[in-house]
Amino acid sequence: DTGVSQDPRHKITKRGQNVTFRCDPISEHNRLYWYRQTLGQGPEFLTYFQNEAQLEKSRLLSDRFSAERPKGSFSTLEIQRTEQGDSAMYLCASSTPWVLASGRYANEQFFGPGTRLTVL
Amino acid sequence: KQEVTQIPAALSVPEGENLVLNCSFTDSAIYNLQWFRQDPGKGLTSLLLIQSSQREQTSGRLNASLDKSSGRSTLYIAASQPGDSATYLCAVNRGGSNYKLTFGKGTLLTVNP
Repeated sequence: DTGVSQDPRHKITKRGQNVTFRCDPISEHNRLYWYRQTLGQGPEFLTYFQNEAQLEKSRLLSDRFSAERPKGSFSTLEIQRTEQGDSAMYLCASSTPWVLASGRYANEQFFGPGTRLTVL
Repeated sequence: KQEVTQIPAALSVPEGENLVLNCSFTDSAIYNLQWFRQDPGKGLTSLLLIQSSQREQTSGRLNASLDKSSGRSTLYIAASQPGDSATYLCAVNRGGSNYKLTFGKGTLLTVNP
């Protein structure tokens, strides 16, 4: 269990540019989530994958946002034509419906370190 | 729509004190509740998970309780240490089709040596 990883950790971009973030979940986990967190707020749900299928998208996820999870492994989140309001921490989490050998709970969500996006 | 509120927003205590963080939620139809810790600029670390059928969970100096009918959870930290300083977030999981978490805004805890 190497944990959830995210890349890059920080991204600074100019308004109007496209950016892409990557998330690698814990290998046994078939569920993957993206959340967005702004300063002083709790994370807000963006989208959810079960295996390779994207099953729910929040209304926060405008048409400029797209997420994929090819082959049910890693996931990418792309933001097109970035705006200053997109500046936030983008967090990825994964979970499994089964209890693992580690004894942790089913459906417990484990988070990555996040990608901090700054749009200038 | 589920809403999660955490009180207080910030708390400062001397080292060694026992403390309680509060979390309330508006919809009692939850699947589970997780408490997380977040250090500045970092991701979230899962501390405790309470299933909807449980009343409490313990891990070391941490004890979380759940009263689903009243929409409340508390996180009790015993013998606080400066290393406990962080933001503590409560999140409820409604289950159903996607198990997404709905978070409160967190409590910023400072433990002074």
